[in-house]
Amino acid sequence: AQRVTQPEKLLSVFKGAPVELKCNYSYSGSPELFWYVQYSRQRLQLLLRHISRESIKGFTADLNKGETSFHLKKPFAQEEDSAMYYCALSRQGGKLIFGQGTELSVKP
Amino acid sequence: DGGITQSPKYLFRKEGQNVTLSCEQNLNHDAMYWYRQDPGQGLRLIYYSQIVNDFQKGDIAEGYSVSREKKESFPLTVTSAQKNPTAFYLCASSMWRDNTEAFFGQGTRLTVV
Repeated sequence: AQRVTQPEKLLSVFKGAPVELKCNYSYSGSPELFWYVQYSRQRLQLLLRHISRESIKGFTADLNKGETSFHLKKPFAQEEDSAMYYCALSRQGGKLIFGQGTELSVKP
Repeated sequence: DGGITQSPKYLFRKEGQNVTLSCEQNLNHDAMYWYRQDPGQGLRLIYYSQIVNDFQKGDIAEGYSVSREKKESFPLTVTSAQKNPTAFYLCASSMWRDNTEAFFGQGTRLTVV
């Protein structure tokens, strides 16, 4: 079955601490994985995609096919990183399977 | 201002009534989607359309219907057959290709009273 799992509903860290939001997937083909973010009172938007291998706002994510994971990491969290984060797997185009979401709270 | 516009922002419906949610995009995207967002469940795909005059059921299509008469518009009707319609509904659009970014609207919160 095709599935995306984010095991943590809430992750709370202090400013300056490292952050890792976990994402595991189950997919029979070659996965296309994304992280989307929803800041308070804003629309859901793309943060990064695995194919780009880029760093956005200090966040990176590496696709590990052996562990079927796509964890999101940032070495030093900032208060403005507080948001809801969704890991997503594309079946085709914008047909996405979303994880349950992880709320990141960065405390001062 | 380019993007996706959903209306209304809040919608209240009595039990037994159908209600239609509007979604318009000016991004010239071929594909459009409707997702439902419930607390603790992430987003789930209701319907999608790759091209005008064509649409396909997603994972939770029961109790919903859509139309795609224009490229820019993809309205969603929540029918009285939907057993638990109270939710946050998100419309999205994208190019129909690999590794594409989906662009989302601000959402409509539907409450059945």
